[in-house]
Amino acid sequence: KAGVTQTPRYLIKTRGQQVTLSCSPISGHRSVSWYQQTPGQGLQFLFEYFSETQRNKGNFPGRFSGRQFSNSRSEMNVSTLELGDSALYLCATTDGGPYGYTFGSGTRLTVV
Amino acid sequence: KNEVEQSPQNLTAQEGEFITINCSYSVGISALHWLQQHPGGGIVSLFMLSSGKKKHGRLIATINIQEKHSSLHITASHPRDSAVYICAVRSWETSGSRLTFGEGTQLTVNP
Repeated sequence: KAGVTQTPRYLIKTRGQQVTLSCSPISGHRSVSWYQQTPGQGLQFLFEYFSETQRNKGNFPGRFSGRQFSNSRSEMNVSTLELGDSALYLCATTDGGPYGYTFGSGTRLTVV
Repeated sequence: KNEVEQSPQNLTAQEGEFITINCSYSVGISALHWLQQHPGGGIVSLFMLSSGKKKHGRLIATINIQEKHSSLHITASHPRDSAVYICAVRSWETSGSRLTFGEGTQLTVNP
């Protein structure tokens, strides 16, 4: 079966701009979680969506937001980009079963 | 102190050696995950554990819930095992699917 698809793979944006990243889960996976990975902070939880509802939220400013559609695809948005937002953004999806999570390949965002 | 601590941070081995990576956590958990990350960023889920031991090929993962400790073992290591190995826990105190990660162990296996 198809894996988790994240688009785009790479993105370069300027400070102050906004960006939208997309995550399409494996069929049947209704939970989509987003993570930020940076060299200094490692992997940090952003938020989780389940059945179009935000179920959990990490400690990130309100500039970071997300949503989930009825087909379980999720988007995250970062507004008013800062240099420190440069990171690898990963999504992970699950059906809650015994096989854990499937991760996407990530979107590498560079803010200049 | 981080909720999830891994050791060692860096590990260099010769091909064929037996490797152990350790993970300690300080919260009550519903599951512990071992993940593998190759250069380029992609993460692969290796194991999900809530008790006991699991084996997949040359990889073995164990967990001791009472001691809040897990180990990942690689037998007969190979250069293709070179990657970052990450321990992550799902706390029973939070609902839903929220993982807390260790800092990772960079493994290099030389031929």
